[in-house]
Formats: sequence, structure tokens, C-alpha cells
Amino acid sequence: DTGVSQNPRHKITKRGQNVTFRCDPISEHNRLYWYRQTLGQGPEFLTYFQNEAQLEKSRLLSDRFSAERPKGSFSTLEIQRTEQGDSAMYLCASSLDRVEAFFGQGTRLTVV
Amino acid sequence: SQQGEEDPQALSIQEGENATMNCSYKTSINNLQWYRQNSGRGLVHLILIRSNEREKHSGRLRVTLDTSKKSSSLLITASRAADTASYFCATGAGGTSYGKLTFGQGTILTVHP
Repeated sequence: DTGVSQNPRHKITKRGQNVTFRCDPISEHNRLYWYRQTLGQGPEFLTYFQNEAQLEKSRLLSDRFSAERPKGSFSTLEIQRTEQGDSAMYLCASSLDRVEAFFGQGTRLTVV
Repeated sequence: SQQGEEDPQALSIQEGENATMNCSYKTSINNLQWYRQNSGRGLVHLILIRSNEREKHSGRLRVTLDTSKKSSSLLITASRAADTASYFCATGAGGTSYGKLTFGQGTILTVHP
């Protein structure tokens, strides 16, 4: 399968714990995006990378959130000291210069 | 924050009927895209229309864009039960935010067999 791959698909964590999600984009796609989606809402932009450079970050991305794309391939999104309000679907997407972004299946985070 | 609004919020039709969903947005755009999302799953890209285009077709999908009214519509013809999903419009800005998409809240479409 050459689509965008996200792991894990589901994560349940206790409040205060750290979590890390991984996204493997479509190979040769140079742009990678992270979005967050809460129930009944559309996805909200968090951040995006062009190759390994993080070009834009949303104000939604608080200090507890950090994203990396070390070699311009896969990316990780870490949330430190999770809060119940962090419970959401975290979506990753990739594109190749063209604007059509292809999304993964998402990681559903539940903070208890 | 959400860029635009979609109308209606929910749409229920019979198989074979056409479904029309509308999207309005607030700021200047470079392009507008429509995505489909089945319950609890990722988003599937349907169609992209650029700001200098007025209409685009893809199979049973027809998208229009009116930049003067800051609105777009998605028409699905001859709907099928498998079209049941949430549909989102997303706008893309140019310049330094070229890669960033801003989504609406979506329209939930239910197609009854």
C-alpha cells in the first residue's frame, strides 16, 4: 500500500502522560501536514513541513505539542502532559508540491 | 478556526437522487478542495478547483466555484448508498500558507437504499 500510513490507529492514555504518533507519507511527497479533528468538526490545521523544514505552526499547537520530520521522510507528533481536551483524531496528510493532499486514516487519541 | 460554513449540515436523500452541498468561505483563496470522510476514518480527496476555474467535473461529481460570492457547491448525481459520508470543503491560500488547508464543518450525507 503506497498511501499515507499512521500509527497507532488508536491510543488511550492517562492524563499527564506523553504520547507520540508517527506518520509515514507517500514516498517522494515533500510536504507533510498534521491536523486535529474533534467530533462533529472539520479538521483543523496544526503544522506542516516541506522536506525536513517546519514551515508553519498553528496557534493550536501549544508548547506541549512538538512535531518533527528529521530526514524529510516520516514525521512524529508528540504531546507532552496530555490533557482531556487533547482527545481527538490526529490526521496526517502529504502532497508533492501540488496542492492535493492525501490523508492517512488518523490516530484516535483518548485521554482518560 | 474554521474558514467557512457548509450548508446544509445534514442531508438525507433516496438512492438515485442528486445531492447538492454548499460551502462558503471568508478570505481570498488559491484553491478549494472537497473531501469525503466515512465515519471514523481518514479523508478521501474528491476534487480540486483553482480560483481561476468556475466549474469542474469528475465522474458523478460536479463542483462550481464563485469567487465573487466566496462560495462553492458540490453536486453528486445519481447518488448511491455508498456515498453516505461526511463531505468537507477545504480552502487553500497562496503565498507562505500555500500548503495549509482550512476546512469547513462538513455536511453529513445519508443516502437511503
